[in-house]
Amino acid sequence: GIQVEQSPPDLILQEGANSTLRCNFSDSVNNLQWFHQNPWGQLINLFYIPSGTKQNGRLSATTVATERYSLLYISSSQTTDSGVYFCAVHAGGTSYGKLTFGQGTILTVHP
Amino acid sequence: DSGVTQTPKHLITATGQRVTLRCSPRSGDLSVYWYQQSLDQGLQFLIQYYNGEERAKGNILERFSAQQFPDLHSELNLSSLELGDSALYFCASSVTYSLNTEAFFGQGTRLTVV
Repeated sequence: GIQVEQSPPDLILQEGANSTLRCNFSDSVNNLQWFHQNPWGQLINLFYIPSGTKQNGRLSATTVATERYSLLYISSSQTTDSGVYFCAVHAGGTSYGKLTFGQGTILTVHP
Repeated sequence: DSGVTQTPKHLITATGQRVTLRCSPRSGDLSVYWYQQSLDQGLQFLIQYYNGEERAKGNILERFSAQQFPDLHSELNLSSLELGDSALYFCASSVTYSLNTEAFFGQGTRLTVV
């Protein structure tokens, strides 16, 4: 099956810093989503981005499908950005739905 | 709020028992997915239903079963529970069965088996 690798595994920032999280995947995809899992365990949708670039406030994401990677940018980080960031993909060519998740990047933002 | 509702939020039960987790998908979504998140296995796909029919199975144990009802809500039944079944169980929903559209997750049910 498709493999998803996220880097870095851990990231520690001071408030106000910028960061880039990376997601590499091993096959073509027709769905790529970024999620933030907050300290209470909720999985919050950040972006649905199988290709191209999107921005939402301080967050933006870019997926280069031909090179099989996606990047999540967080600018001017805040303590509320802390949590785990997951990339999840759905392999192209399959007729049913299954998101395969990466292992996540644990982000800690200190005040 | 994702629009996907899961109940209960927390569940504590003893080994050997049986529990039922419930999920109501977003309005208009026909597909429901169940995932298990444990510390050592990460987020694992369990099973998918589309419009009442099982569509795909992942790493779901034989002690676990699920169904989707005519009103599209879904239930995940876990029986003969073991300590290792303690995990966060998520339900997700989407419009289509092929996941070429965005999936939305509920807030999860945290199951603790003691």
